[in-house]
Amino acid sequence: DTGVSQDPRHKITKRGQNVTFRCDPISEHNRLYWYRQTLGQGPEFLTYFQNEAQLEKSRLLSDRFSAERPKGSFSTLEIQRTEQGDSAMYLCASSLENRASGYTFGSGTRLTVV
Amino acid sequence: AQTVTQSQPEMSVQEAETVTLSCTYDTSESDYYLFWYKQPPSRQMILVIRQEAYKQQNATENRFSVNFQKAAKSFSLKISDSQLGDAAMYFCACPKNNDMRFGAGTRLTVKP
Repeated sequence: DTGVSQDPRHKITKRGQNVTFRCDPISEHNRLYWYRQTLGQGPEFLTYFQNEAQLEKSRLLSDRFSAERPKGSFSTLEIQRTEQGDSAMYLCASSLENRASGYTFGSGTRLTVV
Repeated sequence: AQTVTQSQPEMSVQEAETVTLSCTYDTSESDYYLFWYKQPPSRQMILVIRQEAYKQQNATENRFSVNFQKAAKSFSLKISDSQLGDAAMYFCACPKNNDMRFGAGTRLTVKP
């Protein structure tokens, strides 16, 4: 297992287009998280899955955002009708249920909306 | 309200010297862990050190140690014998429900 993988690494899209990002967590991790990080800021929580169940969503996750983890393994984050304000780094992390384990982060997907 | 505050946007340290990064937090959790993460430029975040709130002893990982003051909700990171490779953004993180919230980060520069 090579850690948490995110694809693509970079995405440039025109305003109004839809984009989808993929995250493959560490296989034995049942928890998966999506965060958004803008330049010079800390990660902001978007949503969290335990297995295939989406258990929490931030108010940051507007109706244009949707996330899935259909089989409790990989996850996708879709942004519809992208806006310039969506430009950010989207980070995925996974963890065990044990609170002590902390998170393992992927390298992120950098989205630029032009 | 759930907050993690890192009051030092930027810090600088001379190579081989010691630097302390500050963090205060607020949580309603009773049993929790606190974490420091490092994010080098254009690279992924990695876990530096963790502290269990019920342990009075401060955590230590090689050159990294914490000063955990539970009553004050303070969780600072000390880096001893700083190296050029320590240059990065450092984020303090504390739990909220089943996920974590992060501070705004401190950018550490290491001068040769």
